[in-house]
Amino acid sequence: AIQMTQSPSSLSASVGDTVTITCRASQDIRNDLAWYQQKPGKAPRLLIYAASSLQGGVPSRFSGSGSGTDFTLTISSLQPEDFATYYCLQDYSYPLTFGGGTKVEIK
Amino acid sequence: QITLKESGPTLVKPTQTLTLTCTFSGFSLSTSGVGVGWIRQPPGKALEWLALVYWNDDERYSPSLNSRLTVTKDTSKNQVVLTMTNMDPVDTATYYCTHRGNYYASSIFGYYFDYWGQGTLVTVSS
Repeated sequence: AIQMTQSPSSLSASVGDTVTITCRASQDIRNDLAWYQQKPGKAPRLLIYAASSLQGGVPSRFSGSGSGTDFTLTISSLQPEDFATYYCLQDYSYPLTFGGGTKVEIK
Repeated sequence: QITLKESGPTLVKPTQTLTLTCTFSGFSLSTSGVGVGWIRQPPGKALEWLALVYWNDDERYSPSLNSRLTVTKDTSKNQVVLTMTNMDPVDTATYYCTHRGNYYASSIFGYYFDYWGQGTLVTVSS
């Protein structure tokens, strides 16, 4: 199975900051990577698919980049509603595998 | 508008079989390219993909749970059922069903989980 290593596992940031979360795949997954946001007690929400395509309705301050094994989720100008846990998911091959998550907390 | 909702027991005993039903609306599992997936999340832990069933009856399972999992679809009822045998306390988790949508962008075809149910917490305890 493809391992997805996500870092950092948590970070503290202030409103207005730019935040970067990375995901590394254990093998080449082309651009078959998605990013999800999850708030406490809620289901995950799709933010980015195909590594860099913004899902409809998602604010443009969210962006994704990368291909192959290294991927990045960037949140520009962090807003109060962005404090949540973020997960990457490789959709290249079965079994589908998630990263361990990154909790973005308020500094 | 696509919606999904999980239903089933909130408490099961060790060794019992769990049966969860995903009832959905806004799409049909007879439409080409569509699927329904199951994903779980133990309390305080990361997401884990479990299983998928597609419009063409293609089924995919997590190898670590393969022998314990079965997914069946009832297109006429707009339902997908997940069965997990021999439940253990480590299977305590919130179980989500998800819509498996697809996209075609820049000459690339792919899938994603774009709609999720609210999730149902299943506790395994005697």
